[in-house]
Amino acid sequence: AQSVTQLDSQVPVFEEAPVELRCNYSSSVSVYLFWYVQYPNQGLQLLLKYLSGSTLVKGINGFEAEFNKSQTSFHLRKPSVHISDTAEYFCAVREGTGGGNKLTFGTGTQLKVEL
Amino acid sequence: NAGVTQTPKFRVLKTGQSMTLLCAQDMNHEYMYWYRQDPGMGLRLIHYSVGEGTTAKGEVPDGYNVSRLKKQNFLLGLESAAPSQTSVYFCASSHRPWERDNEQFFGPGTRLTVL
Repeated sequence: AQSVTQLDSQVPVFEEAPVELRCNYSSSVSVYLFWYVQYPNQGLQLLLKYLSGSTLVKGINGFEAEFNKSQTSFHLRKPSVHISDTAEYFCAVREGTGGGNKLTFGTGTQLKVEL
Repeated sequence: NAGVTQTPKFRVLKTGQSMTLLCAQDMNHEYMYWYRQDPGMGLRLIHYSVGEGTTAKGEVPDGYNVSRLKKQNFLLGLESAAPSQTSVYFCASSHRPWERDNEQFFGPGTRLTVL
């Protein structure tokens, strides 16, 4: 069975500093990987996804993530954060194209950007 | 397009009461999902549907029932609410997994409190 680990429950960072949110997954088959963002009292919004091809994926709001198959990781990065990036970020994995297109989510990382 | 909408936004129930949460999508998606979100646990799949008239159990189905009588609607029912069902409930929908742009789109959530 697949699982997703987000080791950092909270990440504080100053505005304009770089940030990396870590995500590791376990799966015995090929996977598709996603990062979602949840702003306070809102639903989840897709930031970026890796389905195939280039291992460096660019998403919205200046975020990017790199798929590393050997380390089973899909870390999210942004070179310079803004106050508006304060939100909770979820990594998710889907196995293959069957099984109901189901996602398994990590427990989330709360990013808090401070002045 | 409204995307994915959920009704109601908030609800307070007493133990033992029943209620139905409504999810509607206008993107002609085949697949629909119900998740619950609890602090420190990420999102967990309750039930999902791969098409009109079909439903399947997810990770945490006990205490919930679902129906998909129309393609655009997915109902989540609680027959006898328990305090353990206090949570934020999210509905999502997607195209079929082998189709392009098959990520899940989320509704704004329903905050349910069971006293």
